[in-house]
Amino acid sequence: AQSVTQLDSQVPVFEEAPVELRCNYSSSVSVYLFWYVQYPNQGLQLLLKYLSGSTLVKGINGFEAEFNKSQTSFHLRKPSVHISDTAEYFCAVTRGFQKLVFGTGTRLLVSP
Amino acid sequence: KAGVTQTPRYLIKTRGQQVTLSCSPISGHRSVSWYQQTPGQGLQFLFEYFSETQRNKGNFPGRFSGRQFSNSRSEMNVSTLELGDSALYLCASSLGQDGHEQYFGPGTRLTVT
Repeated sequence: AQSVTQLDSQVPVFEEAPVELRCNYSSSVSVYLFWYVQYPNQGLQLLLKYLSGSTLVKGINGFEAEFNKSQTSFHLRKPSVHISDTAEYFCAVTRGFQKLVFGTGTRLLVSP
Repeated sequence: KAGVTQTPRYLIKTRGQQVTLSCSPISGHRSVSWYQQTPGQGLQFLFEYFSETQRNKGNFPGRFSGRQFSNSRSEMNVSTLELGDSALYLCASSLGQDGHEQYFGPGTRLTVT
């Protein structure tokens, strides 16, 4: 069975600083990886996904993630954050069949 | 293109009652998945329907059930509600093939008293 570990429950950062949200997964087979963002009182919005090919994936709102098979990681990065990036971020994995397994989430707090 | 819609957005029920939640997927999407989100357990997969058939199911008791109609709209039902069923229920739609991303609705906030 797959599982996802998000190592940080909360990440405080100042506006315009870079940020990295960490995600590690465990699976004995090939998987698809996703990052979603959830703003207060809203559903989840897809930031980016990794299916195959280039290990560096670019998403919306200036986010990118790097797939590292040897370290089973899929960390999310942004070179310069904005106040509006304050939200909860979820890493998810699936082998297919539309069943996403989510991590516990990382709350990104951006302050001026 | 309209997004995924869920109704109602908020619901308050009493223990022992049953509840039905509705989800309308993005036009053309044939897969609908349901997730439960709670502070304690996080986001957990309930089940997925594709072309009116349940393709996958999570580890939830039989009180949780769902169905999908020919127009791809889906409903989920929870019978004999318990306090622990209080959660945000999220519906997601997809084209349904491996690797296709899921698009989430705003959720239905269920409170059981």
